[in-house]
Amino acid sequence: AQSVSQHNHHVILSEAASLELGCNYSYGGTVNLFWYVQYPGQHLQLLLKYFSGDPLVKGIKGFEAEFIKSKFSFNLRKPSVQWSDTAEYFCAAAGSGAGSYQLTFGKGTKLSVIP
Amino acid sequence: DSGVTQTPKHLITATGQRVTLRCSPRSGDLSVYWYQQSLDQGLQFLIQYYNGEERAKGNILERFSAQQFPDLHSELNLSSLELGDSALYFCASSVDSAALYGYTFGSGTRLTVV
Repeated sequence: AQSVSQHNHHVILSEAASLELGCNYSYGGTVNLFWYVQYPGQHLQLLLKYFSGDPLVKGIKGFEAEFIKSKFSFNLRKPSVQWSDTAEYFCAAAGSGAGSYQLTFGKGTKLSVIP
Repeated sequence: DSGVTQTPKHLITATGQRVTLRCSPRSGDLSVYWYQQSLDQGLQFLIQYYNGEERAKGNILERFSAQQFPDLHSELNLSSLELGDSALYFCASSVDSAALYGYTFGSGTRLTVV
């Protein structure tokens, strides 16, 4: 069965610290990968996505993620977090083959950044 | 504002009742997806419609149903509500029928069953 797992439920960092959130997926076939962010009281917003090509993808707000096929991972990184990055982060995957219509989400990682 | 509109934002109802949640997709998007978000289950895919037709079904209970109308808005009907149905229900839309490029999400409807 298709699944996405996120390693950490809650991460607490001080401002300027570096961030890495883990994401692993289990999918048959080719997969498209996404990271979404949900700020308190807001809707999910797309941070970045990977389809093919360069495994290091850059997104909005200074975030990037690296696709490592051999590890079935798609970890999210940011060199220096800000208080405004406090939010919940969701990794998601979709198969790119026929019949792959919906995103499967991980359970999310809540990030708290302390000023 | 993402362009995906969900109403109502909050809904409080009693067990056994029926409610309807409404979603208007972003202009130009033909697919509508419904997700349920709860603390223990995370984001669970319920159902997808594309241009008026059901395209994919996920973990949707038989007490729940949905449809997409000719103007592309969608409604999710939840009946015989139970306490465990309390959750945040998200609608998302995309231009294509496959989730190749990701979705645009609405702000959700928070359903509380008492």
